[in-house]
Amino acid sequence: DSGVTQTPKHLITATGQRVTLRCSPRSGDLSVYWYQQSLDQGLQFLIQYYNGEERAKGNILERFSAQQFPDLHSELNLSSLELGDSALYFCASSYKKPEDTQYFGPGTRLTVL
Amino acid sequence: GNSVTQMEGPVTLSEEAFLTINCTYTATGYPSLFWYVQYPGEGLQLLLKATKADDKGSNKGFEATYRKETTSFHLEKGSVQVSDSAVYFCALRDYGNNRLAFGKGNQVVVIP
Repeated sequence: DSGVTQTPKHLITATGQRVTLRCSPRSGDLSVYWYQQSLDQGLQFLIQYYNGEERAKGNILERFSAQQFPDLHSELNLSSLELGDSALYFCASSYKKPEDTQYFGPGTRLTVL
Repeated sequence: GNSVTQMEGPVTLSEEAFLTINCTYTATGYPSLFWYVQYPGEGLQLLLKATKADDKGSNKGFEATYRKETTSFHLEKGSVQVSDSAVYFCALRDYGNNRLAFGKGNQVVVIP
């Protein structure tokens, strides 16, 4: 158990809908990262937050957005969903410095029908 | 940009066999290198890491050496067990950068 929690574990929805994925980092960690794992693209970095502020952006679509709240939990919002958004979404957290180890949650599996 | 290449295809081997998974990288700076493992239905777990050239990361019988001259970080284990069946990902993080860049992963299946 990494100490990172993600909810829900599974999510099934329809095209055009909007969903929210939630992540609680390990106790004391200030950074949260979101990654997408899909069959065709593999594991890709989406976005990072540090202590409530956006720190780095990767291959995140404009339909996707994220935020980190004062209690350091984070949410990833996916809107206008398409079939191709079906994937496993991982959250990871780390303490403070860039070189600190990232610990991954169990993931949320999103299926868009 | 930064990228990681892992050998194609799943790896199937018998218990107690020697395991090697190749990983090469392309990076502009001085990356840290990682191997993560993903067991069925679970998230990624850090298996080992190396932060500079010639460092050897090791954990649970797995080893990998950071080779700058060949830009490689191959994973090895001398005697695999059925419980080592999982997907293994090689990753890098460039110096001063937070994001991890992953390879495609290799499914390892160990047969009793």
